[in-house]
Amino acid sequence: DAGVIQSPRHEVTEMGQEVTLRCKLISGHNSLFWYRQTMMRGLELLIYFNNNVPIDDSGMPEDRFSAKMPNASFSTLKIQPSEPRDSAVYFCASSNLGYTEAFFGQGTRLTVV
Amino acid sequence: DAKTTQPPSMDCAEGRAANLPCNHSTISGNEYVYWYRQIHSQGPQYIIHGLKNNETNEMASLIITEDRKSSTLILPHATLRDTAVYYCIVRVNTDKLIFGTGTRLQVFP
Repeated sequence: DAGVIQSPRHEVTEMGQEVTLRCKLISGHNSLFWYRQTMMRGLELLIYFNNNVPIDDSGMPEDRFSAKMPNASFSTLKIQPSEPRDSAVYFCASSNLGYTEAFFGQGTRLTVV
Repeated sequence: DAKTTQPPSMDCAEGRAANLPCNHSTISGNEYVYWYRQIHSQGPQYIIHGLKNNETNEMASLIITEDRKSSTLILPHATLRDTAVYYCIVRVNTDKLIFGTGTRLQVFP
């Protein structure tokens, strides 16, 4: 397995534009986590899913952010409209529910200008 | 709402053991102690976890005190590639994974 795959690796967009980040889970995994990392705030959990169902989205900063799992192996994180303060590295991670190890993707570095 | 306390930074000479402490005085009976690390600009990587017994794998050893209020991650022979931020996390296995600020370990030649 190629591991958790995130795309794109880098994204530069203008303020106000819609941004979609993508994540492909490891085959067979049924838990999915989205994180955001900045120097100021560290690694923050945005939302996590178990079996395609959002369990806790309390970390989603505001209504401009939305996340979905259209199927068991894929997830999107959408920001609409984007703002400069959304600039960060976004990570997704997958695991098997009840298992111990979460596997992280390489991240998407988002820059909003 | 991280439940752990770690020193912000530590240094270690290459080839020596790196001992990274973590305090988790409010840990619950069903919570495990996990360790992850993040090498610069990469995604975090799982290292090891334990409930109450000491654990060892190919990467590290985890020593948990008898009262479970603290633990130590041991890298027996640190290399320059072990330079990273190390996160200690307590959680129930099926719960969310919350990262604190971690310990920045610098291994020097």
